[in-house]
Amino acid sequence: KAGVTQTPRYLIKTRGQQVTLSCSPISGHRSVSWYQQTPGQGLQFLFEYFSETQRNKGNFPGRFSGRQFSNSRSEMNVSTLELGDSALYLCASGTSGSANEQFFGPGTRLTVL
Amino acid sequence: KNEVEQSPQNLTAQEGEFITINCSYSVGISALHWLQQHPGGGIVSLFMLSSGKKKHGRLIATINIQEKHSSLHITASHPRDSAVYICAVRVNNDMRFGAGTRLTVKP
Repeated sequence: KAGVTQTPRYLIKTRGQQVTLSCSPISGHRSVSWYQQTPGQGLQFLFEYFSETQRNKGNFPGRFSGRQFSNSRSEMNVSTLELGDSALYLCASGTSGSANEQFFGPGTRLTVL
Repeated sequence: KNEVEQSPQNLTAQEGEFITINCSYSVGISALHWLQQHPGGGIVSLFMLSSGKKKHGRLIATINIQEKHSSLHITASHPRDSAVYICAVRVNNDMRFGAGTRLTVKP
């Protein structure tokens, strides 16, 4: 089985722009979770989707949004980028969410200039 | 105080040594995960625990729900075990992470 894939792997944007990141889960997985990792804050939970519904959301501003499609692929969007949004964005897929084993993608490294 | 505390922050060991990494949490949880992150960022889920003990190869993870404490043990450590080990807990509908333990195993 193919693993979790994330595109793009690297991205450079400027302040004020918006960005869309994509995550394709392992075939058969219906849950996708997103995480942000920065040197200062470490790993932080962004959101969790299951069968196209957002089940949980972390403590992030409304500029961070996401969605999940009927094929379980998920996208997250960050609008009006700030320098502090520079981070590694990781997604993880699973059969039913973070209460069960999760399989992580390689991440998208976003740099905001 | 962070809800998830890991110790030690950094650990250097010689190849073959027995390693223990600890995780304490201060909230009620439904599950605890141990994650491994290698340089470059890739994360591998090692264990998901809600009670007791799990073993996979040279890795053993235990959890004591009453004491709100989990340990990750590595037997016969090897340089390829060098990585950051992260403890994560599921709290209600959220995930909280420890700051990680950076392990270096020297040959």
